[in-house]
Amino acid sequence: DAMVIQNPRYQVTQFGKPVTLSCSQTLNHNVMYWYQQKSSQAPKLLFHYYDKDFNNEADTPDNFQSRRPNTSFCFLDIRSPGLGDAAMYLCATSRARFGYEQYFGPGTRLTVT
Amino acid sequence: AQKVTQAQTEISVVEKEDVTLDCVYETRDTTYYLFWYKQPPSGELVFLIRRNSFDEQNEISGRYSWNFQKSTSSFNFTITASQVVDSAVYFCALSVEAGNMLTFGGGTRLMVKP
Repeated sequence: DAMVIQNPRYQVTQFGKPVTLSCSQTLNHNVMYWYQQKSSQAPKLLFHYYDKDFNNEADTPDNFQSRRPNTSFCFLDIRSPGLGDAAMYLCATSRARFGYEQYFGPGTRLTVT
Repeated sequence: AQKVTQAQTEISVVEKEDVTLDCVYETRDTTYYLFWYKQPPSGELVFLIRRNSFDEQNEISGRYSWNFQKSTSSFNFTITASQVVDSAVYFCALSVEAGNMLTFGGGTRLMVKP
């Protein structure tokens, strides 16, 4: 039944050590999103893919990269995590960019030590 | 620019009380969509409802109901006979065609006490 799956659910990394978070979907949706959510805040969009077309938000740090090798999978790479990158990372999908609801995965909680 | 305001940061009620979560939005677009999401302590955002700007009909789904009023730019959410399982953070969000993306409100934390 799981539609948007994120692995791992909890990730601990060291300061400056690259880390990759993964997301997969069984909905066959065209759009996949990555959000960062810090405590008591709304999710903040980092970037999204519309099919293979990558769209970066203007204020997303260069430290964050993404890959979408196929329709089902999307990865978030953090090249050199800092303490400020500790957060919940949410993956979401939608059928199209406008007018459709987004379906979210359970999130990956990243801790940076 | 778009903006969503959820003025209530935290609400506490006792089980079986009715509770209304307020959402006020700002946009100059005439075509837009409004959403409500629930985020329980487990962390996953759960989609509750989508409403487009041309459909002002209120909606009821079980204990949940939504009141959309364009005249006041509001899209309020009411839970009738609240239950402990309703405890969560609720986000209202707006999507306009030009921006494509969701603009979230700050969220309202609802605590339902037994």
